[in-house]
Amino acid sequence: NAGVTQTPKFRILKIGQSMTLQCTQDMNHNYMYWYRQDPGMGLKLIYYSVGAGITDKGEVPNGYNVSRTTTEDFPLRLELAAPSQTSVYFCASSLAGGPMRQFFGPGTRLTVL
Amino acid sequence: KQEVTQIPAALSVPEGENLVLNCSFTDSAIYNLQWFRQDPGKGLTSLLLIQSSQREQTSGRLNASLDKSSGRSTLYIAASQPGDSATYLCAVSYTGANSKLTFGKGITLSVRP
Repeated sequence: NAGVTQTPKFRILKIGQSMTLQCTQDMNHNYMYWYRQDPGMGLKLIYYSVGAGITDKGEVPNGYNVSRTTTEDFPLRLELAAPSQTSVYFCASSLAGGPMRQFFGPGTRLTVL
Repeated sequence: KQEVTQIPAALSVPEGENLVLNCSFTDSAIYNLQWFRQDPGKGLTSLLLIQSSQREQTSGRLNASLDKSSGRSTLYIAASQPGDSATYLCAVSYTGANSKLTFGKGITLSVRP
């Protein structure tokens, strides 16, 4: 199992550009999450999904969009990149029921200039 | 507001020392609590997960405890090694919150040879 994979690893965007951060998990987990981590801060939840076709906002959703058409994939879309979106983005997944331990991907480091 | 606090932000100890990392949370209605390790530039690795009905969990040299009534958790590291140097994050999942995690800012641990 590869676990949770994210692409790209690094990206530099100009203000106003758009991009999609990809996240895939091969553990058949129902729940998937997107977090951002700013320097010296903990992670903050952007969006989450409890299953294909179901998504909901987290703590900091503004400027982002998500979709969940399959169990495996949970892409995060930035439509109009702003410097405030410079951050490291982590995708995670967990299995519904039981302890619901979350497994994290390696992250995408995004810089908006 | 549900908050998770980790103090101090950084800690430096000599190799071989036993140490305790603290985590406090404001709302006792938790579902579970997880301790994660993050190496520089890397993703998060789940170390231990304690469910709300449990008091502690152990894995090798690590022991995590949970006291819901006081809103505290501790991560005990026995016989610390330079390889334990990393940032340790505490995260809480609250009842009915679809397993969303609220993170502390982390404690950066440095173990000196």
